[in-house]
Amino acid sequence: AQSVTQLDSHVSVSEGTPVLLRCNYSSSYSPSLFWYVQHPNKGLQLLLKYTSAATLVKGINGFEAEFKKSETSFHLTKPSAHMSDAAEYFCVVTYKAAGNKLTFGGGTRVLVKP
Amino acid sequence: KAGVTQTPRYLIKTRGQQVTLSCSPISGHRSVSWYQQTPGQGLQFLFEYFSETQRNKGNFPGRFSGRQFSNSRSEMNVSTLELGDSALYLCASSLDRGLAGVTDTQYFGPGTRLTVL
Repeated sequence: AQSVTQLDSHVSVSEGTPVLLRCNYSSSYSPSLFWYVQHPNKGLQLLLKYTSAATLVKGINGFEAEFKKSETSFHLTKPSAHMSDAAEYFCVVTYKAAGNKLTFGGGTRVLVKP
Repeated sequence: KAGVTQTPRYLIKTRGQQVTLSCSPISGHRSVSWYQQTPGQGLQFLFEYFSETQRNKGNFPGRFSGRQFSNSRSEMNVSTLELGDSALYLCASSLDRGLAGVTDTQYFGPGTRLTVL
């Protein structure tokens, strides 16, 4: 079975300060991990993905995430938040034998203060 | 290349009715998956279609069904609607090249927001 836990349901940051969104996963197999972002009334946009290559993954809009197998974590970071980063972020896990079934975390809503 | 499109974007139905939602994947993508998003349950996997066959299914009642056409377009149907079916229904497509050890990225459409009164 696979599961994902996003440790914070809400994160508030000031514009220009770092962002850290925490994610822990559980998977019986080698996982593929993703971060998606959802802006209000929009679909999900892929930020980045990890599929067993480099453990530090760079994504769009300055986001990156590090896969740490020993900690079963895949935290998302950005050095400097922008107002446009206000959205909901989802950590997602799957593995090859699960086909294309994605398991989503509960989401983290990010508020960016000016 | 055009993204995943879903129609309609908004729907209002009453309890007991049925509804059909449509999804057109990115050109060349062969796999289409459906997800339900609600404030209480979050994002949950409904089912996946590949080459006109249901390949994977989530834990939803039989009132939820789907199909895929030869051009990879997909529809999902919900019969005998209940208030709890009010949700954003998201469709995602992927290439699914069938390569060993490769997980293809899923690309999501904007969703269909269904309101059941």
